[in-house]
Amino acid sequence: NAGVTQTPKFRVLKTGQSMTLLCAQDMNHEYMYWYRQDPGMGLRLIHYSVGEGTTAKGEVPDGYNVSRLKKQNFLLGLESAAPSQTSVYFCASSRSTGTGNQPQHFGDGTRLSIL
Amino acid sequence: DQQVKQNSPSLSVQEGRISILNCDYTNSMFDYFLWYKKYPAEGPTFLISISSIKDKNEDGRFTVFLNKSAKHLSLHIVPSQPGDSAVYFCAAKGGGADGLTFGKGTHLIIQP
Repeated sequence: NAGVTQTPKFRVLKTGQSMTLLCAQDMNHEYMYWYRQDPGMGLRLIHYSVGEGTTAKGEVPDGYNVSRLKKQNFLLGLESAAPSQTSVYFCASSRSTGTGNQPQHFGDGTRLSIL
Repeated sequence: DQQVKQNSPSLSVQEGRISILNCDYTNSMFDYFLWYKKYPAEGPTFLISISSIKDKNEDGRFTVFLNKSAKHLSLHIVPSQPGDSAVYFCAAKGGGADGLTFGKGTHLIIQP
């Protein structure tokens, strides 16, 4: 059981380039999330989705777009990468709102550097 | 302003002793609190949670205590083992569908 899989694991971009981070989960979870973690900081929510075809903004959504065309996949896009987007990106999924006996399950992260 | 605070960046505990990790929050709308454990180069792993209607939850060596009036929770690990060395994140959730609010984490080091 793979759980939550993030692709790629590492990436280096130049300022202004675009890219898409892929998150796939095989647990049939309804809810999916994208977080970023900066050095010495906790994880901060970028965008989330409560089901296929839905997306919503989190705490730090600027500069990112997301899509949930299939229930098992949640894509995070950077249209024009900036050095401030250098971070480790984590995807998570949960069966419902991610509390109690149905917590969020996280992938192992994508380390993204913008030069 | 940080809504979830973990004021100890690191904590060193001897193997076999009790580890106590602390967390404070400011948002009264939080109704669920969770602890996650994170090893380097891996994603956070769920450890234990507590609802705001409870004051204690136990799972094996892990116990979480919640003091709502003080807006404070703590994670107790007893006895501490070498494999417990990791970064521990306190997280909180409101009633909506959005994600978790995380603290900055505490790096727990278990000394042999």
